[in-house]
Amino acid sequence: ELQLVESGGGLVQPGGSLRLSCTASGFTFRRYEMNWVRQAPGKGLEWVSYINSNSSTIYYADSVKGRFTISRDNAKNSLFLQMNSLRAEDTAVYYCARDSGITTRPGWFDPWGQGALVTVSS
Amino acid sequence: YVLTQPPSVSVAPGQTARITCGGNNIGGKSVHWYQQRPGQAPVLVVFDDSDRPSRIPERFSGSNSGNTATLTISRVDAGDEADYYCQVWDSSSDTWVFGGGTKLTVL
Repeated sequence: ELQLVESGGGLVQPGGSLRLSCTASGFTFRRYEMNWVRQAPGKGLEWVSYINSNSSTIYYADSVKGRFTISRDNAKNSLFLQMNSLRAEDTAVYYCARDSGITTRPGWFDPWGQGALVTVSS
Repeated sequence: YVLTQPPSVSVAPGQTARITCGGNNIGGKSVHWYQQRPGQAPVLVVFDDSDRPSRIPERFSGSNSGNTATLTISRVDAGDEADYYCQVWDSSSDTWVFGGGTKLTVL
């Protein structure tokens, strides 16, 4: 069964840091591009970051550029999101999502993890 | 790149729901659709404008032309109540863009 499980969420003060992890199972992780998507309470989906299979191509949303870093460890079937200089507006559920696997063009997201809640508050 | 969805759509059980996603020349892009039930993670229901994952019922279909993409759900039932999001890749900024989401209510 395809599965993505996020961990590492929690409460952090403004200006603080947090590292999210996403552990994959049920598919060959090293062959797939991965993404992070977030959803603020009561709001819509916002794409955060993308990493390709060998970490040679990385994209960020403007809202997190310079503060967040995406990475992966293919040997451990794991995706990470290092979040620094956190702000109240970063409060959200963070989902990891697998890209479609079509390497010749950007694809769709399937499946998604269950999400990890990050709360930035003093 | 901005994707515009109606905040809400209401439909009676057994009827057809149509959820639109507007964008400048969106017909030239591949559009993907996600369903998100309350408290759950999003689920892909349509990809590449009109293709369906095998687990998704045939009642779900999509189209895309000009400045509007449409997700159509036929024979709607209570289980279809959810938020629906469209998504495209914006090659000018190397980013994925989501629409604001549409809440489908089954009356």
